[in-house]
Amino acid sequence: GESVGLHLPTLSVQEGDNSIINCAYSNSASDYFIWYKQESGKGPQFIIDIRSNMDKRQGQRVTVLLNKTVKHLSLQIAATQPGDSAVYFCAEIATGTDKLIFGTGTRLQVFP
Amino acid sequence: NAGVTQTPKFQVLKTGQSMTLQCAQDMNHNSMYWYRQDPGMGLRLIYYSASEGTTDKGEVPNGYNVSRLNKREFSLRLESAAPSQTSVYFCASSLDRVATNEKLFFGSGTQLSVL
Repeated sequence: GESVGLHLPTLSVQEGDNSIINCAYSNSASDYFIWYKQESGKGPQFIIDIRSNMDKRQGQRVTVLLNKTVKHLSLQIAATQPGDSAVYFCAEIATGTDKLIFGTGTRLQVFP
Repeated sequence: NAGVTQTPKFQVLKTGQSMTLQCAQDMNHNSMYWYRQDPGMGLRLIYYSASEGTTDKGEVPNGYNVSRLNKREFSLRLESAAPSQTSVYFCASSLDRVATNEKLFFGSGTQLSVL
């Protein structure tokens, strides 16, 4: 069946270091992938997206990498800050569907 | 701008009670969605409305009904609440269907406990 999962449930990093959050997906029909950030008590917030015809996309301090061969997605956060502490979800959409399928999430903890 | 507004923020129900969760967006979006989030899990789609006047089932529709009252408002109703429906409920909207890669904007959630 379709599934999106994460390798690490909790990631602890020191302020200023780079963070890498990983995600595996199993639906080869998925063609659009999104990373969301969810802070405590709030709804998910869009961070960055990537379409399946790309393998890398950069935003402000964030980079998403897509490896379709091994069905792997990663989110890189440069110079991690305390404000980056949150739960991060990857999500996927299969072509032509309205079902955005979320992974289970990774908690990022930033310590001084 | 308020974005997506959900009410109430917290609710406690007894098993068998009914209630309606309200959601409104002021972004003139066409599509609206209801998700639930259980502890340690990602969000799961309950129902969605691709456009005013239409509703469709998502991954976990059993035990819920929805109404797209107008373009702004999309409500979720629990007719007979069960403990399994204890969860955090999120409403979201997008300019157009997510199938066209539109971005979702989420509300801040409703924490529901069913005793």
